[in-house]
Amino acid sequence: GQQVMQIPQYQHVQEGEDFTTYCNSSTTLSNIQWYKQRPGGHPVFLIQLVKSGEVKKQKRLTFQFGEAKKNSSLHITATQTTDVGTYFCGYNKLIFGAGTRLAVHP
Amino acid sequence: EAGVAQSPRYKIIEKRQSVAFWCNPISGHATLYWYQQILGQGPKLLIQFQNNGVVDDSQLPKDRFSAERLKGVDSTLKIQPAKLEDSAVYLCASSLVLASEQFFGPGTRLTVL
Repeated sequence: GQQVMQIPQYQHVQEGEDFTTYCNSSTTLSNIQWYKQRPGGHPVFLIQLVKSGEVKKQKRLTFQFGEAKKNSSLHITATQTTDVGTYFCGYNKLIFGAGTRLAVHP
Repeated sequence: EAGVAQSPRYKIIEKRQSVAFWCNPISGHATLYWYQQILGQGPKLLIQFQNNGVVDDSQLPKDRFSAERLKGVDSTLKIQPAKLEDSAVYLCASSLVLASEQFFGPGTRLTVL
């Protein structure tokens, strides 16, 4: 069946450093959504990407959908302690990746 | 606008007991989802409803799990009998239409002893 790998599993950064998480699929995805889950919280929707090569920005967050619609990335510029949490990609109907846990050290 | 409501927030039961969770989605949302999230993992879709019809229940362990969404509004998820490996957070989410942004409830944390 369709599988999506999300990397890295964990990322520790110093506050102010950049962070990127990747979602890679072996097959073409119809769409991709990104969610953030704070420790002890529930997933919160960030963005949905549908078009090949699509790039969307939300303040310090940049989301990309690959040309082949098989991969996606979330990039955070100049991380802050408020960025701490686990970032999940979800695709198609929705199936979630395993997530990337981000820790930010002040 | 009120969010997705779930109850109870926490539940502790012994194995082989039964348990039920309740979810009230955002008003007007046609699609409702139940997820199981085991600690350290991503949410796993158990069942998806469109109004009061089941769209996908391929990952629902039907020998012990059941769910219904009567009248196309709120929903219940039941486990009978529970096993130790059912310990997880059960998340309910709703969306306006299929494949659109999902709004999650706070979840029910189930511990099976």
